[in-house]
Amino acid sequence: EIVLTQSPATLSLSPGERATLSCRASQSVSSYLAWYQQKRGQAPRLLIYDASKRATGIPARFSGSGSGTDFTLTISSLEPEDLAVYYCQQRSNWPWTFGQGTKVEIK
Amino acid sequence: QVQLVQSGGEVKKPGASVKVSCKASGYTFTTYGISWVRQAPGQGLEWMGWISPYSGNTNYAQKLQGRVTMTTDTSTSTAYMELRSLRSDDTAVYYCARIGGSGWLDYWGQGTLVTVSS
Repeated sequence: EIVLTQSPATLSLSPGERATLSCRASQSVSSYLAWYQQKRGQAPRLLIYDASKRATGIPARFSGSGSGTDFTLTISSLEPEDLAVYYCQQRSNWPWTFGQGTKVEIK
Repeated sequence: QVQLVQSGGEVKKPGASVKVSCKASGYTFTTYGISWVRQAPGQGLEWMGWISPYSGNTNYAQKLQGRVTMTTDTSTSTAYMELRSLRSDDTAVYYCARIGGSGWLDYWGQGTLVTVSS
């Protein structure tokens, strides 16, 4: 199965700062990668799909890039409501797999 | 609007079975697949499998093969996930999610906590 490794495990930044989250795949997933946001006590929410496409209603400060094995989620200017855990997920191969998550903390 | 509403929490003993339901509304049920994802307390997301309400085709995570069955009832637009021979490490919040036109999990249920304890 394809292993997705996210880094860092925790990111602590101040409002207005830029957040850069990484997701590395153990083998190429082409552009079949998505990012989800999960706030405490809530279900995950789709942010980015096909590596770089924003899902419906997602603010422009969220962007995704990458292909093959290396992917990045960028939050251009952090807002207090961005406090959450962010997961990457691939659907290139069965079984679909998730990364272990990056927790974004707001200073 | 698209909604997935799941059944309530369950407490089960080791060795028992649980069946979680996920009622869809706001779209044509047979058009999109349903995936199940679980999350153990304080842990990350684990993909469990997928079912096509249109064909009934399924694909399960290998580690759950033989213990999990996903079904749908198109007359009520409801998906079901049954897990058998429950163990303590099956304690988790179980989510259903729609596989949208993009091929990704675009709408999620609210989650169902299944607790396995003697």
